[in-house]
Amino acid sequence: KQEVTQIPAALSVPEGENLVLNCSFTDSAIYNLQWFRQDPGKGLTSLLLIQSSQREQTSGRLNASLDKSSGRSTLYIAASQPGDSATYLCAVPSTDSWGKLQFGAGTQVVVTP
Amino acid sequence: DVKVTQSSRYLVKRTGEKVFLECVQDMDHENMFWYRQDPGLGLRLIYFSYDVKMKEKGDIPEGYSVSREKKERFSLILESASTNQTSMYLCASSLGGSLAYNEQFFGPGTRLTVL
Repeated sequence: KQEVTQIPAALSVPEGENLVLNCSFTDSAIYNLQWFRQDPGKGLTSLLLIQSSQREQTSGRLNASLDKSSGRSTLYIAASQPGDSATYLCAVPSTDSWGKLQFGAGTQVVVTP
Repeated sequence: DVKVTQSSRYLVKRTGEKVFLECVQDMDHENMFWYRQDPGLGLRLIYFSYDVKMKEKGDIPEGYSVSREKKERFSLILESASTNQTSMYLCASSLGGSLAYNEQFFGPGTRLTVL
């Protein structure tokens, strides 16, 4: 059964530093990996979808890498801002249940001014 | 931009009431999903639908039912609300075809409290 892990659970950085968020998964036979952002009490906002055939995907200050063989994805956020404070979740399609996304528990990020 | 809307942001109901949560997407997506999110348990899939009138159980369907009469609308029904159904409910949709390849887009969530 696919398991998705995000370490650390929480992270605090000063404004301007680059953020590095990690996601690992146990079954490398994934079709894609999706990164989300969630603000407190709100829904999930899709940030990036990276297909299994891709090594990287970029959107503005965000860059996601994918290494299927090692079961890891990394989300980089350049030049962090207080507005980047949120919980970031990664998710992959489940290998044992059609249609289901398997989520990590998330990394809670605080960017201090 | 894909837009997924949910009928209420906050809802307070009494034990035993029948509760309807509505979700609408405006991008002609085939697939729609209902999740609940609880502290320490993360997101769990309740039901999903890959076509009108089609539904599949997720991980925790007990105590819930769903309805999809139109492509754009997916309703979650709590037949007899209980306090352990107090949670954040999130609706999502994705394009269609192979579920594995499609990006999921989420609504703003409904915070349901059952007293």
